[in-house]
Amino acid sequence: QVQLVESGGGVVQPGRSLRLSCAASGYTFSRHGIQWVRQAPGKGLEWVAIVWYDGSKTYYGDSVKGRFTVSKDNSKNTVYLQMDSLRAEDTAVYYCTRIFGELLNLDYWGQGTLVTVSS
Amino acid sequence: QSVLTQPPSVSAAPGQKVTISCSGSSSNIGNNYVSWFQQLPGTAPTLLIYENNKRPSGIPDRFSGSKSGTSATLGITGLQTGDEADYYCGTWDSSLSAVVFGGGTKLTVL
Repeated sequence: QVQLVESGGGVVQPGRSLRLSCAASGYTFSRHGIQWVRQAPGKGLEWVAIVWYDGSKTYYGDSVKGRFTVSKDNSKNTVYLQMDSLRAEDTAVYYCTRIFGELLNLDYWGQGTLVTVSS
Repeated sequence: QSVLTQPPSVSAAPGQKVTISCSGSSSNIGNNYVSWFQQLPGTAPTLLIYENNKRPSGIPDRFSGSKSGTSATLGITGLQTGDEADYYCGTWDSSLSAVVFGGGTKLTVL
């Protein structure tokens, strides 16, 4: 069955970096894009980034543009979210989700990984 | 301030019907597909409706989606206590080149 497992979250100081991973299994990874969506404590969903099925295109939300980089390694069935210059407002649970077809057809979600940015 | 506007909360009795609205503009809902997501307490969101009105396998037909102009609506009939959750609409915004979500609606089944 399809599984997405995020890892790499934790506590980090403002201005530092963190890399999240999203390991996928149970489907042909190279045929589907991945999105990252985050949720601050007690808040709603916020889109973070998209990476195309072949890694050729990426898009970012305004709040992370220029600081976060998403990449896809089809040989390892893994997507990475490199987060630099972290801020307190980046504190959230980060989910990776699979895209099937249209961009908002997010049919499988990981369990999420918590990132806390605090000194 | 979300690009898509949802009511913060709705409530209804078990067995009743409820609708949740999602209002946008021509750059998002008006010209792109809408999805709906359900987030049960303490869990990750799940896809409830995609491409305006399609249900993934396993989603009961008590859940329905529709779109008209720049607004979308999620309908839930035969409410159950297990439907208590936060519901989010989402779509692509062609002007922003961004995925946008509504602020979420908390459903309470009284």
